[in-house]
Amino acid sequence: NAGVTQTPKFQVLKTGQSMTLQCAQDMNHEYMSWYRQDPGMGLRLIHYSVGAGITDQGEVPNGYNVSRSTTEDFPLRLLSAAPSQTSVYFCASSSKRTFSYEQYFGPGTRLTVT
Amino acid sequence: AQKITQTQPGMFVQEKEAVTLDCTYDTSDPSYGLFWYKQPSSGEMIFLIYQGSYDQQNATEGRYSLNFQKARKSANLVISASQLGDSAMYFCAMRSTSGTYKYIFGTGTRLKVLA
Repeated sequence: NAGVTQTPKFQVLKTGQSMTLQCAQDMNHEYMSWYRQDPGMGLRLIHYSVGAGITDQGEVPNGYNVSRSTTEDFPLRLLSAAPSQTSVYFCASSSKRTFSYEQYFGPGTRLTVT
Repeated sequence: AQKITQTQPGMFVQEKEAVTLDCTYDTSDPSYGLFWYKQPSSGEMIFLIYQGSYDQQNATEGRYSLNFQKARKSANLVISASQLGDSAMYFCAMRSTSGTYKYIFGTGTRLKVLA
């Protein structure tokens, strides 16, 4: 199993550009989430999904869209990049089949918006 | 609202000694899970240990143990016999098991193990 994969690993955008961060998991997990990590602020939830076709907002959803058309994929779209979106983005997945619902994280995408 | 508080931004510990990383939480959910994750300088997030709110015994995983005090709403991580490879950022997290799926994370504690 590859686990949770994210692409790209690094990305530089100009203000106003749009892009999609890709996330895929091969563990047949029901739950997937996107987080951003900023210095001194821990991980903050952007959007999450409890299954294909079902998504919901987290703590900091503004400026981001998600969709979940398949169990495996959960892309995060930046609609019009802003310098405030410079961050490290993590995708995670988990399953109710594990009693703890522990999350498995991707390696992260480091995004810089200039 | 749920909240996780980690009050120690940074900690030092001598190699082979034990260290406790503090975590307090706030929730009104009757059922919840508490987690600790390790983030080394390479950036990946590594799951360490889990404690369910109804678990009677404190969780242990090798050198990691979770000191769970439900009445005080604390879930401290204890690392025994520290190793140089334990130097990393450590995050406490919580998930409700009786409601939404959301996790929340604390701001983290950076641990440095000294030789």
